[in-house]
Amino acid sequence: ETGVTQSPTHLIKTRGQQVTLRCSSQSGHNTVSWYQQALGQGPQFIFQYYREEENGRGNFPPRFSGLQFPNYSSELNVNALELDDSALYLCASSRVAGGTQYFGPGTRLTVL
Amino acid sequence: SQELEQSPQSLIVQEGKNLTINCTSSKTLYGLYWYKQKYGEGLIFLMMLQKGGEEKSHEKITAKLDEKKQQSSLHITASQPSHAGIYLCGAADVAAGNKLTFGGGTRVLVKP
Repeated sequence: ETGVTQSPTHLIKTRGQQVTLRCSSQSGHNTVSWYQQALGQGPQFIFQYYREEENGRGNFPPRFSGLQFPNYSSELNVNALELDDSALYLCASSRVAGGTQYFGPGTRLTVL
Repeated sequence: SQELEQSPQSLIVQEGKNLTINCTSSKTLYGLYWYKQKYGEGLIFLMMLQKGGEEKSHEKITAKLDEKKQQSSLHITASQPSHAGIYLCGAADVAAGNKLTFGGGTRVLVKP
């Protein structure tokens, strides 16, 4: 196990709603990255947080936003949910911004 | 933007047989990561390669990065049912906090 935890495990929402996903990084890690993995595809980078600041963003609209807290845990917020947002959301932590990323078990989001 | 293509997309091997997965990049690789994912779960870090010609092994899994740093291979010797899963290669973008761009994955099934 990596020591990265995510909650909740599964989530079902309806179109237009908002959702918050949580991630606790591995002890000693100050960087958290979020990825979206659609069924049958590789993960897609959403954004990264390093010491509470956004440190890079992928090709995702502004309704995807995040936070990192002083203890380096992180949240991913998605507003105005769309059906295509249904996916496995993965968070990964690393010791430093350029270090090896260790992934949590993921949160499965289903949008109906 | 960098793109990674994995081949084959899926394979079925008899237990005890060897298998090889390839990962080809559209650009020079400055860091290439291999991960394993069980269906619907998080990614497990296997190995990271940086130098052209580099080769690393862990238990029965060997990964290589070619001299030109645009292709990597993952080889499993004497496969076991525990090797079943999805293998993903990821390229590091060092200019963007080491965000990872992933290939589409290779689904491996080991028949007992």
